[in-house]
Amino acid sequence: DSGVTQTPKHLITATGQRVTLRCSPRSGDLSVYWYQQSLDQGLQFLIQYYNGEERAKGNILERFSAQQFPDLHSELNLSSLELGDSALYFCASSVESGNYEQYFGPGTRLTVT
Amino acid sequence: GDSVTQMEGPVTLSEEAFLTINCTYTATGYPSLFWYVQYPGEGLQLLLKATKADDKGSNKGFEATYRKETTSFHLEKGSVQVSDSAVYFCALSAFGIKAAGNKLTFGGGTRVLVKP
Repeated sequence: DSGVTQTPKHLITATGQRVTLRCSPRSGDLSVYWYQQSLDQGLQFLIQYYNGEERAKGNILERFSAQQFPDLHSELNLSSLELGDSALYFCASSVESGNYEQYFGPGTRLTVT
Repeated sequence: GDSVTQMEGPVTLSEEAFLTINCTYTATGYPSLFWYVQYPGEGLQLLLKATKADDKGSNKGFEATYRKETTSFHLEKGSVQVSDSAVYFCALSAFGIKAAGNKLTFGGGTRVLVKP
């Protein structure tokens, strides 16, 4: 158990809908990362937050957005969902934003039908 | 941009066989290198890491050495067990370039199946 929690574990929704994935980092970790794992794209970095502020952006679609709240939990919002958004979404956290290990949560499996 | 290339699987082995998974990288700056493991139905777990050239990371019988001259970080284990069946990911973190934050860049993953 990494100490990173993600909810829900599974999510099934229809095209065009909007969903919110939630992540709670390990106690004391200030930085949160979101990754997408899909069969065709592999594991891809989406976005990083550090202590409430966006720190780095990867291949995140405009339909996707994220934020980190004062209690340090983070939410990833996915809207206008398409079939191709079906994937495993992982959250990771680290103590700081520097060269520190990232600890991954169990992931949220999103299925868009 | 940064990239990681690792051998495609699946790799099928018998118990107690020697395992090698090749990993090479391209990066600017001085990346840290990692191996993560993903067991079926689970998230990623950090297996080992190395933060500078010639460092050797090791954990649970697995080893990998950071080779700057060949830009490689090959994973090895001398005697695998059935419980080592998983997907292994090589990754790098190019911290030091501000715009990069601390993102991990992953290879495509290598599925390893160990048979009794």
